[in-house]
Amino acid sequence: KQEVTQIPAALSVPEGENLVLNCSFTDSAIYNLQWFRQDPGKGLTSLLLIQSSQREQTSGRLNASLDKSSGRSTLYIAASQPGDSATYLCAANSGNTGKLIFGQGTTLQVKP
Amino acid sequence: GEEVAQTPKHLVRGEGQKAKLYCAPIKGHSYVFWYQQVLKNEFKFLISFQNENVFDETGMPKERFSAKCLPNSPCSLEIQATKLEDSAVYFCASSQSPQGGYEQYFGPGTRLTVT
Repeated sequence: KQEVTQIPAALSVPEGENLVLNCSFTDSAIYNLQWFRQDPGKGLTSLLLIQSSQREQTSGRLNASLDKSSGRSTLYIAASQPGDSATYLCAANSGNTGKLIFGQGTTLQVKP
Repeated sequence: GEEVAQTPKHLVRGEGQKAKLYCAPIKGHSYVFWYQQVLKNEFKFLISFQNENVFDETGMPKERFSAKCLPNSPCSLEIQATKLEDSAVYFCASSQSPQGGYEQYFGPGTRLTVT
């Protein structure tokens, strides 16, 4: 049974810092891993998807990596801004039906 | 449409009443997924559809919950005889494929409050 864990649960950094959010999963047989952002009271915004055959994906200031052998993914945010404050969730797709297993999220606060 | 649409935004039901939630997937997406977010960040998969066919229902509670995706209609998730524990935000997502490089795009959610 796939389990996904995110550490830390909360993170507070000053504006401009580079930061890394961690996601670990127990079953390395995944099809892909997706990173989302959720603002309070809102839905999920897809940030990046990494397929099982890929090592990393980049979008703007975001870079996500995937290491299946160690069961880890990281989301790197460069030059953080107050607008980056949100909860970040990773979700593993490890079945052939697309069912996503979510981590508990990391709530990020970027202070001006 | 270009976004997943969910209605209503909020729904309040007394315990024991029926609740029905709707989802319109992105045009051209064949797969629809329902998730339940309880408390702050606990997401639980409920059910998925490939067009109008149930694709994976391993997360659906056996009693009281049902879902449909009929041609030319929004998909629906229905809860019979709601309980306090059903209070949650219900998200619908759609995708072109359940695997590979295809993202799931989420709707804004329906917040169900059972009183």
